[in-house]
Amino acid sequence: QKEVEQNSGPLSVPEGAIASLNCTYSDRGSQSFFWYRQYSGKSPELIMFIYSNGDKEDGRFTAQLNKASQYVSLLIRDSQPSDSATYLCAVNLDRGSTLGRLYFGRGTQLTVWP
Amino acid sequence: DVKVTQSSRYLVKRTGEKVFLECVQDMDHENMFWYRQDPGLGLRLIYFSYDVKMKEKGDIPEGYSVSREKKERFSLILESASTNQTSMYLCASSIRGGANSPLHFGNGTRLTVT
Repeated sequence: QKEVEQNSGPLSVPEGAIASLNCTYSDRGSQSFFWYRQYSGKSPELIMFIYSNGDKEDGRFTAQLNKASQYVSLLIRDSQPSDSATYLCAVNLDRGSTLGRLYFGRGTQLTVWP
Repeated sequence: DVKVTQSSRYLVKRTGEKVFLECVQDMDHENMFWYRQDPGLGLRLIYFSYDVKMKEKGDIPEGYSVSREKKERFSLILESASTNQTSMYLCASSIRGGANSPLHFGNGTRLTVT
């Protein structure tokens, strides 16, 4: 069973805090991992991707990947009310496939309060 | 910037009607996808296509069909619309060859079947 799991939340943090979002996946051989942000009523937009173990930083966002433990996380530093959205984790679980299908978690709803 | 355009933002159809949802991308992407998104259920893959005239079933293909006559266009067809097909429909595209290819989403079509 190919699965991507996220805590649905809601996760609520004060402005300026660090928000931590987690995702686990079923296939140890997965190679690519993506984080999407989705505002209410809008379509998902890509905010980060990571392929290698360790951390990848982009501005206030840091993606962390641990393939041995099969989890990927997204940290948002200095959270802002504009970060309030649903965050979707997506993983390519089809090992060796070039078809590019991504499997999505159900998303974690984040609220940043002023 | 990749642009994925869905022909309608909102659509209201009657039960039993044949419904066409159109999607066009302008970046010469090989892969195209149709998802539906429902509260609590996340993104579910209906069909995808990795080349012209090629199609693959996703997780919930029943009641749907697709057409890909040209590389840039991927159509989703509801053969006989039913109320349980009321949903947000999202089209996406990506480059082939990629375990590492992110999906780029259109703005979505909110379909209501009455």
